[in-house]
Amino acid sequence: KNQVEQSPQSLIILEGKNCTLQCNYTVSPFSNLRWYKQDTGRGPVSLTIMTFSENTKSNGRYTATLDADTKQSSLHITASQLSDSASYICVVSLYNNAGNMLTFGGGTRLMVKP
Amino acid sequence: DGGITQSPKYLFRKEGQNVTLSCEQNLNHDAMYWYRQDPGQGLRLIYYSQIVNDFQKGDIAEGYSVSREKKESFPLTVTSAQKNPTAFYLCASRNGAENTIYFGEGSWLTVV
Repeated sequence: KNQVEQSPQSLIILEGKNCTLQCNYTVSPFSNLRWYKQDTGRGPVSLTIMTFSENTKSNGRYTATLDADTKQSSLHITASQLSDSASYICVVSLYNNAGNMLTFGGGTRLMVKP
Repeated sequence: DGGITQSPKYLFRKEGQNVTLSCEQNLNHDAMYWYRQDPGQGLRLIYYSQIVNDFQKGDIAEGYSVSREKKESFPLTVTSAQKNPTAFYLCASRNGAENTIYFGEGSWLTVV
């Protein structure tokens, strides 16, 4: 069964500190992996998207890595800000004959405290 | 502005009633999706449509119905057959060329 597992489920850090969120998946055949940020009660917003051949991609203070061999990805947040408090969702795309299909992780809820 | 608009943001439903959530996009995307999000869980696919006048059931379609009469619109009806409809509902559309999913702001549905 195609699955996406994220860890930790929740995380509290102090403002200015760095943190790393993990995503492990069993989706096959793999097409791409996305990280989304979702503020409470809002729709998810895309942070990064990586294909099989990419192993790192940055978007400001967010850096995502991908190891397609071990089927692991991480999202590193540098110099955290209060506005980083949100849920971060890992989404893996499976490509099959019906077109791209998505498998969502359960998300990591991050709280940044002053 | 281009984007996906969901309405209403908050909706209360009495037991036994059908309600319809609206989703409109002006991004000229062919594919549209409806997801349900429950606290602490990943998004689950209810229905999706790859093209106008065509749609398929997702993983949790029971108790829901959709239509895709226009490219821009993909309304979701939550019927009385859905036994636990209280949730956050997200509509999305996909740009095939960029392979990017864009989400609306979501709709909260509460059964009272």
